[in-house]
Amino acid sequence: DTAVSQTPKYLVTQMGNDKSIKCEQNLGHDTMYWYKQDSKKFLKIMFSYNNKELIINETVPNRFSPKSPDKAHLNLHINSLELGDSAVYFCASSPLAGGPGDTQYFGPGTRLTVL
Amino acid sequence: SQQGEEDPQALSIQEGENATMNCSYKTSINNLQWYRQNSGRGLVHLILIRSNEREKHSGRLRVTLDTSKKSSSLLITASRAADTASYFCATNSNSGYALNFGKGTSLLVTP
Repeated sequence: DTAVSQTPKYLVTQMGNDKSIKCEQNLGHDTMYWYKQDSKKFLKIMFSYNNKELIINETVPNRFSPKSPDKAHLNLHINSLELGDSAVYFCASSPLAGGPGDTQYFGPGTRLTVL
Repeated sequence: SQQGEEDPQALSIQEGENATMNCSYKTSINNLQWYRQNSGRGLVHLILIRSNEREKHSGRLRVTLDTSKKSSSLLITASRAADTASYFCATNSNSGYALNFGKGTSLLVTP
């Protein structure tokens, strides 16, 4: 009965490859997010989707393309992976559309290592 | 852009002691939240304090908010080894959807 799940948990790949990370939430939330946590544990918002529509795209290279087939899923596809993409990627969701600073529920993270 | 700054960066205490972490932020907020992250895990919401509140309690947690100083503190009383984790403050972004996190305080509670 996991609330926010991500797959895979670990992803090791070569530079230049294309990879995807999947996220699903079973909480019935309207809004989903992708965050990137670097090696110093700094968390930064990448994207936010509300009911399948892109709300926030925070100066993320266009090699990163989120896709939301329905409001319970927000997948992240990364083209032409670079060394600097190595990080932990967290998916999150929140209940209210447009709610200021709603409580967010995080997935367990996907540790991406680019060699 | 980074909004919150936690202080200290790292804190080591013994079980039973209290742990205090501070957070400063830059812009006006609707509310401020604290999250905990255990090693290798996702973040877990601990407590939310609204901009018109000055103090809030939840179990062994006490949060204060001073909007005039743009600062907040998280106090964990009677700490336990299981409290060992990183603690982050977070404020809402300009759009209101995403959260801006600080750098976090790494807390170590030794038995």
